[in-house]
Amino acid sequence: AQSVTQLDSQVPVFEEAPVELRCNYSSSVSVYLFWYVQYPNQGLQLLLKYLSGSTLVKGINGFEAEFNKSQTSFHLRKPSVHISDTAEYFCAVSRLSGGYNKLIFGAGTRLAVHP
Amino acid sequence: AAGVIQSPRHLIKEKRETATLKCYPIPRHDTVYWYQQGPGQDPQFLISFYEKMQSDKGSIPDRFSAQQFSDYHSELNMSSLELGDSALYFCASSSRRQETQYFGPGTRLLVL
Repeated sequence: AQSVTQLDSQVPVFEEAPVELRCNYSSSVSVYLFWYVQYPNQGLQLLLKYLSGSTLVKGINGFEAEFNKSQTSFHLRKPSVHISDTAEYFCAVSRLSGGYNKLIFGAGTRLAVHP
Repeated sequence: AAGVIQSPRHLIKEKRETATLKCYPIPRHDTVYWYQQGPGQDPQFLISFYEKMQSDKGSIPDRFSAQQFSDYHSELNMSSLELGDSALYFCASSSRRQETQYFGPGTRLLVL
């Protein structure tokens, strides 16, 4: 079975400051890793994903994440946040096998960007 | 680009009533997933379909059923609704050869 732990339920940060949202996972098998963002009263939008290859992945809106297999982590980073980045961020994993695998989500991290 | 379509976007029902949620996947996507997100919670997997067959089942109550039709759209049928069923219900779709799920905007169900 897989599980995901997002270490911070809330992260307040000032505009233009850097931010890191932490995600650790547990799995007995290899996994794919994802970050999704949910703006207020909206659906889930894919930010970025790690399937294989380079451990540093870049996503939309200036976000990036680094897969660390030894630490079973997939932390999300942005060097300079904007007010518009205020949202809920979910880390998720799925089993690395052929197709149609459910996503297991973390509890989410609420990023609040202040002016 | 076309996205996942869900209808209705909002639904209000009374206890013990039934509800049907619909999901239209991205064109050429053959796999559909349903998730339930309670207030302040993370999305929980309910059920998935690949090529019109159930492919996986999660924490879906027996009062709920779902199916995928020949045009790949899917419907989630919910009967004997309870207050605790109030949630945001997401549908996601993917292609058999890809691991990325794309989510619809969700249906917000309120049970009174």
